Amino acid sequence: EVQLEQSGAEVKARGQSLKISCKASGFDFSNSWIAWVRQTPGKGLEWMGSIYPGDSETTYSLSFRGLVTISADKSIRTAYLQWSSLKASDTAIYYCSRQLSSYLDVWGEGTTVIVSS
Amino acid sequence: TQMTQSPSSLSASVGDRVTISCQASQDIGNFLAWYQHKPGKAPKLLISDASELESGVSSRFSGSGSGTFFIFTISSLQPEDIATYYCQQFDNVPSLTFGGGTKVEIK
Repeated sequence: EVQLEQSGAEVKARGQSLKISCKASGFDFSNSWIAWVRQTPGKGLEWMGSIYPGDSETTYSLSFRGLVTISADKSIRTAYLQWSSLKASDTAIYYCSRQLSSYLDVWGEGTTVIVSS
Repeated sequence: TQMTQSPSSLSASVGDRVTISCQASQDIGNFLAWYQHKPGKAPKLLISDASELESGVSSRFSGSGSGTFFIFTISSLQPEDIATYYCQQFDNVPSLTFGGGTKVEIK
C-alpha cells in the first residue's frame, strides 16, 4: 500500500528550530517527487516546495524560499521540512504528498505545528 | 501562474447541482486538478488533467475546461460532499499553484 507517515504534532516557542518528517512506503521513493503543502485557515492550501530524493534536487515556491529547508534521506525513505527559527505565522498544518507527474496523488495525514509567542 | 477560484463559499441543498470555477492567469492547457479537503483529513485528488476522474471517485464529480477557464461540478450534492474544494495547476513542473478554495455547505 502506498503510504506517507508524518511525524506527530509539535508545539514550539518562537525562535526555536524544528524538523518534521514524512516516511514513505509502498512506492519507489527515490524516483518520486515529494511535495510539502501548508494549510492555514486564512490562505487554504499552499505549495511550499518539492524534492526528488534520488538526487536531492529541490525546488521551492517563491513564497517559502529561504524560510524553510526541504531535504530527504533516501536510505530511510524519509523526507523532511525544517525551520531554523520559527515564527508565530508558521502555525499551520503541514502535509507531505507524492507528486505524480504534476498532481499530488497520495497525502500524509498532516503534522500540526503550533508556535507560541 | 495565478489561479482565481470562485465562489469562495457556497450553500446548496441536497440534490442540487453545484459548480465551481477556476481561472488561470495564463494558458495552462489541461494541466489542472481538483481536490476535496475535509476537516481533519488529508486532501484527496478527485480529478486530474482537467477532466479525468481518479479511480474510485464518485461519478457525481466531473471537471471540464482547458486553457484558462475550468469548471468543477457536483451533479447531485450529497451530505458527504461537505468539504473545501481546491483547483491546482502546474505550468513549470514541479512548481504548483492552488486556487483559493471553495467551501461547500448544505443549506
